[in-house]
Amino acid sequence: EVQLVESGGGLVQPGESLRLSCAATGFTFSNYAMHWVRQAPGKGLEYVSAISSNGDSTYYANSVKGRFTISRDNSKNTLYLQMGSLRVGDMAVYYCARAPGGTCYLPADYWGQGTLVTVSS
Amino acid sequence: DIVMTQSPDSLAVSLGERATINCKSSQSVLYSSNYKNYLAWYQQKPGQPPKLLIYWASTRESGVPDRFSGSGSGTDFTLTISSLQAEDVAVYYCQQYYSSPFTFGPGTKVDIK
Repeated sequence: EVQLVESGGGLVQPGESLRLSCAATGFTFSNYAMHWVRQAPGKGLEYVSAISSNGDSTYYANSVKGRFTISRDNSKNTLYLQMGSLRVGDMAVYYCARAPGGTCYLPADYWGQGTLVTVSS
Repeated sequence: DIVMTQSPDSLAVSLGERATINCKSSQSVLYSSNYKNYLAWYQQKPGQPPKLLIYWASTRESGVPDRFSGSGSGTDFTLTISSLQAEDVAVYYCQQYYSSPFTFGPGTKVDIK
């Protein structure tokens, strides 16, 4: 069974950094691209970032480009999102999701339950 | 960036009736080399992560009831629920994965009338 479990969320102040992790089980992690998608409280879905199966290709929303870095460790079956210079507008539930193949140009077929990031002074 | 719009913002349909949601992209998401539309539909129920319903605009994900169908090409797409069930109450999102950033529509809330 495919499982994605996010962790690392919490309360931070504006300008601070945070690293999210997503532990993947139930599939061969190194064969699949991965996505991060966020959802602010009461709002819609917002694409954040994506990484190809081998990590060679990465993509970002304009709103996070230069502040967030996506990465993966295929030996640990784990996806990461390093978030820097956090803003109040980054406050959201962050979901990791799997693409059904190695390229990022695919939808998200499995999703984690999400981890909440709160940015407040 | 490709901007995705959806209509209506919300709709209420009687049980057993048809629900239709429209999605429009600001540029074509049809890839000419493989003639595939890079468009997906998701369902999100309260307190849950999204669930993939449809991809390539019209291919139903495994396990999704056949009352859900997708259609359209280029810039205009439709999600149809042929006979609304109580468990279909949710917010529905379209997403393009043709070009990064892989943008979502704003969502359409479906309720029971």
